[in-house]
Amino acid sequence: QVRLVQSGAEVKMPGASVRISCTASGYTFTNHYIQWVRQAPGQGLEWVGLINPNDAGTYYGQRVQDRITMTRDTSTSTIYMELRGLRSEDTATYYCARCLGFGRMDYWGQGTLVTVSS
Amino acid sequence: QSALTQPPSASGSPGQSVTISCTGTSSDVGSYNYVSWYQQHPGKAPKLIIYEVTKRPSGVPDRFSGSKSGDTASLTVSGLQAEDEADYFCCSFAGDPYVFGTGTKVTVL
Repeated sequence: QVRLVQSGAEVKMPGASVRISCTASGYTFTNHYIQWVRQAPGQGLEWVGLINPNDAGTYYGQRVQDRITMTRDTSTSTIYMELRGLRSEDTATYYCARCLGFGRMDYWGQGTLVTVSS
Repeated sequence: QSALTQPPSASGSPGQSVTISCTGTSSDVGSYNYVSWYQQHPGKAPKLIIYEVTKRPSGVPDRFSGSKSGDTASLTVSGLQAEDEADYFCCSFAGDPYVFGTGTKVTVL
């Protein structure tokens, strides 16, 4: 069965960087894009970016595009998302999701809470 | 890119229907038939329930249906059940390229 398993919660100081992982199993890793969506506490969903595991091509949201990098390791079927220059407004649960088509995110990771606080 | 507008809340009794609107612009909802809907229970990841405006993934009950007219998409939940109580978010392909709705909390009375 398809599974996306994310790394654990992180607490970071403002200005620091965080790297979250998302390990896929149960399907051919390079066949489907992975998207990242975040949700601030008690708030709605915000699209963060996507990566094509086949060729490592990426597309980032405007709000984070200067601070974010997504990479992949095909040997372990893992996607990494690094966010630099953390701000309090980056405090959120970050989800990875498999994408079958435009807006069609069919399997999601369990979420990783990133807390930015001094 | 501004979030799509949804009503903050909606409610209905078991067995009734509830419809949630999702209003965007001619740059997102109005331009693409790539509107999806997600259901989220507290503390859980979102779950895809509608994609490409009207399509349901396998395993999603046909009580859930989607539609679109102009810049507004809608989700209808028919025959409300207790387990339908959750937050619902719409999502549209747009220029960024995706924008989500503000979210609607559905309460089953």
